[in-house]
Amino acid sequence: AQSVTQLDSQVPVFEEAPVELRCNYSSSVSVYLFWYVQYPNQGLQLLLKYLSGSTLVESINGFEAEFNKSQTSFHLRKPSVHISDTAEYFCAVSHSGAGGTSYGKLTFGQGTILTVHP
Amino acid sequence: GAVVSQHPSRVICKSGTSVKIECRSLDFQATTMFWYRQFPKKSLMLMATSNEGSKATYEQGVEKDKFLINHASLTLSTLTVTSAHPEDSSFYICSGPGLGYNEQFFGPGTRLTVL
Repeated sequence: AQSVTQLDSQVPVFEEAPVELRCNYSSSVSVYLFWYVQYPNQGLQLLLKYLSGSTLVESINGFEAEFNKSQTSFHLRKPSVHISDTAEYFCAVSHSGAGGTSYGKLTFGQGTILTVHP
Repeated sequence: GAVVSQHPSRVICKSGTSVKIECRSLDFQATTMFWYRQFPKKSLMLMATSNEGSKATYEQGVEKDKFLINHASLTLSTLTVTSAHPEDSSFYICSGPGLGYNEQFFGPGTRLTVL
């Protein structure tokens, strides 16, 4: 079984300030890790993902996340946020093994609402 | 990335009626699709796995007779909420897997309101 914990339900921050959204996971098997963003009344959009290789992954809009296996974390960071980054962010994991009934299923964290103030 | 559409985007119905939600993969074929439910201010919870050509696999606690899933083709999965009640009001989202199942592509969601 897998679980994901996002430690902060809401994160208010001022524009151009740095931000970190925390995510910890628990799993008995190896996993893929994801961050999704959801704007109001919209579906989820993939922000970035870790599958293998370099533990630091980046998105096209300046976010980055680092996979830390020893701490079972995948925190999301951005050095300078914009008003347009205001949204809800979900951390998720899936089983990285092939086959089986759990293949492809995502387990989500509770979500973190990021609000960027001017 | 791949595109997944859902229809309708928003539906309001009376208690006791049934509502069908369609999920289509527009530019890829999916033998498997997933249905999630999102409660207000809460995370997404996987309801079931839709399997093309066979029965859906439901997560524990999800009533299969209430949430009927049909995977009619490699590009279409439907979720029917039968005899809807106000507590079924929610945001329903489907997803389809990318190659290698290492990524999910999500539909825009369907907001169901049962009066």
